[in-house]
Amino acid sequence: DQQVKQNSPSLSVQEGRISILNCDYTNSMFDYFLWYKKYPAEGPTFLISISSIKDKNEDGRFTVFLNKSAKHLSLHIVPSQPGDSAVYFCAASVGGYQKVTFGIGTKLQVIP
Amino acid sequence: GAGVSQTPSNKVTEKGKYVELRCDPISGHTALYWYRQSLGQGPEFLIYFQGTGAADDSGLPNDRFFAVRPEGSVSTLKIQRTERGDSAVYLCASSQGLAGVEGNEQFFGPGTRLTVL
Repeated sequence: DQQVKQNSPSLSVQEGRISILNCDYTNSMFDYFLWYKKYPAEGPTFLISISSIKDKNEDGRFTVFLNKSAKHLSLHIVPSQPGDSAVYFCAASVGGYQKVTFGIGTKLQVIP
Repeated sequence: GAGVSQTPSNKVTEKGKYVELRCDPISGHTALYWYRQSLGQGPEFLIYFQGTGAADDSGLPNDRFFAVRPEGSVSTLKIQRTERGDSAVYLCASSQGLAGVEGNEQFFGPGTRLTVL
């Protein structure tokens, strides 16, 4: 039973445009949400997080939006760059960052 | 400083054999985590340590899997009587502290790719 769902396996975006990656979750106990980026043959790299007391968190070109009523979060990347091409994992946890549940990932390709 | 390192990077073994996978966390990180990533899936939580003790091992799939962290730094994931279904990338991560504090995100190593023939 997938508690964190990323329904789009892949996404292609033109360089300079906005990339929007979506994530849905089913466990209403989740109160921390994270996005990780993964390049081939490397481990996931932390990108940005948000706690359930917020609905938006911004870090440079990356913004995460949380809609608790819809159990939905999204990652916006503006402007997209070719180096952003990677697999993006949405993740969530209860009470902090220990036991993290990951989605299956969305592969983003930014076309120059 | 150095990141999380894992050895070996690749391990090929035969069904029924015993394997050990090693993780060296970032120096000073008190928490250490093991995940397993199967093909086409996201990382799946196995176990995490706070110091030397296993604080949550609820993700270990069965009693063939065991992990230790005897001195609160290096950890070893041990798999007995390996099966073909154990083939996956085993990821280790460490973090500076524990729950609920901004900035305590997990830093991942590159993983060990285990193939059971």
